[in-house]
Amino acid sequence: QQQVKQSPQSLIVQKGGISIINCAYENTAFDYFPWYQQFPGKGPALLIAIRPDVSEKKEGRFTISFNKSAKQFSLHIMDSQPGDSATYFCAALFSGAGSYQLTFGKGTKLSVIP
Amino acid sequence: SQTIHQWPATLVQPVGSPLSLECTVEGTSNPNLYWYRQAAGRGLQLLFYSVGIGQISSEVPQNLSASRPQDRQFILSSKKLLLSDSGFYLCAWSLQGYEQYFGPGTRLTVT
Repeated sequence: QQQVKQSPQSLIVQKGGISIINCAYENTAFDYFPWYQQFPGKGPALLIAIRPDVSEKKEGRFTISFNKSAKQFSLHIMDSQPGDSATYFCAALFSGAGSYQLTFGKGTKLSVIP
Repeated sequence: SQTIHQWPATLVQPVGSPLSLECTVEGTSNPNLYWYRQAAGRGLQLLFYSVGIGQISSEVPQNLSASRPQDRQFILSSKKLLLSDSGFYLCAWSLQGYEQYFGPGTRLTVT
């Protein structure tokens, strides 16, 4: 499977600041790009997602920016809060053959300090 | 609303013992089902997916197998566990769409 590269591995942000996590992909056949939030010991929860025909999607404090030509996308968390402290995973989905297989980045551990 | 269950939540098994992890989904019909493994500090690796009863596709050759005996039931098995099988096992479902929803996971430790 094609890789999805995620950076940084860890991120420390002060409360009220902006958290930015970046991902890059190789396979241009990917057609859906979700972000998941995972708290320790829990399963990942779908946070926000974008299709490649859209350059930006915003839901509350969370925004995805998508650059199709550069094959990159990023998650911005505005007004970061201590409750946002979690591991974030980007992913890319290939819907060919109806299987909808997700390829994940390795995750970014976000710590928001008061 | 849809709910996904996994059990057991935690499991400690000796090397060479068998394994059976179960996942069930409520509130939907004919979902796509997925098994992922998450090693410590790493991303999620897709192990198996199923688009229907009895239909299993394997992504990674390994010591594990999967079965789907009922529409909303997905089972992960092994005849003989290896130390390298330790990890956090996650089941997910999707309704033939793009959104995948994960269960609470099973923490497996092979000793």
